[in-house]
Amino acid sequence: GAVVSQHPSWVICKSGTSVKIECRSLDFQATTMFWYRQFPKQSLMLMATSNEGSKATYEQGVEKDKFLINHASLTLSTLTVTSAHPEDSSFYICSAGTGGFHEQYFGPGTRLTVT
Amino acid sequence: RKEVEQDPGPFNVPEGATVAFNCTYSNSASQSFFWYRQDCRKEPKLLMSVYSSGNEDGRFTAQLNRASQYISLLIRDSKLSDSATYLCVVKPNQAGTALIFGKGTTLSVSS
Repeated sequence: GAVVSQHPSWVICKSGTSVKIECRSLDFQATTMFWYRQFPKQSLMLMATSNEGSKATYEQGVEKDKFLINHASLTLSTLTVTSAHPEDSSFYICSAGTGGFHEQYFGPGTRLTVT
Repeated sequence: RKEVEQDPGPFNVPEGATVAFNCTYSNSASQSFFWYRQDCRKEPKLLMSVYSSGNEDGRFTAQLNRASQYISLLIRDSKLSDSATYLCVVKPNQAGTALIFGKGTTLSVSS
């Protein structure tokens, strides 16, 4: 149980284009999903917290208009990187938990390369 | 001061060695503590939770010292398959909040 999937697992796109990454909880309902970003040799950095049916809460320094998050259902959250730049190239990982949870379940990550 | 700090590493050890990783955290109100393992280009996976009384899972032993805000992980009889990055992870006091990750310590076990 507690499986989280992400799609796509990797993507290459050109500068200026937008990329959508999906995060799904396959066997449980996730009231909260988190989006992290990890640059090479760096730790996972929280980008935003996404609660089903409400607006995402972004961490300081993360542009909400550039990284659009939608959590329309209890099993799906999407992250759209708009007008991608090469510096957005990173490993994007989502995690999910249920209400009042203390454990989170991670998706396998999406490796984004912007050329 | 960073919220979660770890040994810089990397640690290069032979098979069978015992290796210890240390971690400190800055928020004294932190509630839960974990060690995660991350393989190259993969998502982090929970290795074990860390309790004040200390806990052991096979070759792995985790310790928590709340007074010193210090967490440790001991790996005995290292295996080649233990090669990975080990992430010290802290969860703040509130339920439903995100995890805070350390930068990770890389372990390389060689034959």
